[in-house]
Amino acid sequence: AQKITQTQPGMFVQEKEAVTLDCTYDTSDPSYGLFWYKQPSSGEMIFLIYQGSYDQQNATEGRYSLNFQKARKSANLVISASQLGDSAMYFCAMQLTFGSGTQLTVLP
Amino acid sequence: DAMVIQNPRYQVTQFGKPVTLSCSQTLNHNVMYWYQQKSSQAPKLLFHYYDKDFNNEADTPDNFQSRRPNTSFCFLDIRSPGLGDAAMYLCATSRVVAGGLRTDTQYFGPGTRLTVL
Repeated sequence: AQKITQTQPGMFVQEKEAVTLDCTYDTSDPSYGLFWYKQPSSGEMIFLIYQGSYDQQNATEGRYSLNFQKARKSANLVISASQLGDSAMYFCAMQLTFGSGTQLTVLP
Repeated sequence: DAMVIQNPRYQVTQFGKPVTLSCSQTLNHNVMYWYQQKSSQAPKLLFHYYDKDFNNEADTPDNFQSRRPNTSFCFLDIRSPGLGDAAMYLCATSRVVAGGLRTDTQYFGPGTRLTVL
């Protein structure tokens, strides 16, 4: 069985600053992938970034990067230079299992 | 350029009145999923299709059924909606990679928000 834990129900960040959203996971699969999705208030789930368990480098995608620490089973999302449009719910997921999400609010 | 389309975006039904939600995709992905998401909660997988193979989650109520007549379309039927079924219903698609052992990134539709009166 797989389990995703997001311990931050809500986070606030000042516009233009960086923010880290935490995600820890548990799985017995030797090979796995970790995903981060953004869900604005409109409801659509938007794919942000993917990290494979055997990837040599941490994933980056524009202002999004993953701080992947395999030994600690953590895959934290880092958003640099936050923008007001980043305010949304963020979900960490592994395959078909989602964490409980973190509501990020960017303050002007 | 919409890749995963859900209709309708908003659906209102009465208690006990059957309702069907639809999903279509232009990605030609072999896997399609239906999730239920209640307010401020994580999406909960109801079932998924790998091609025509139907996979039901153990705790999905019998009230929920699904059909996939072809690669592009998938339907969610709620036979007798209760007040507790009011939620956002998300459809997603993905490919299968690694020899069928793992699914790739899921692409979601905009969702259908179901209200039960």
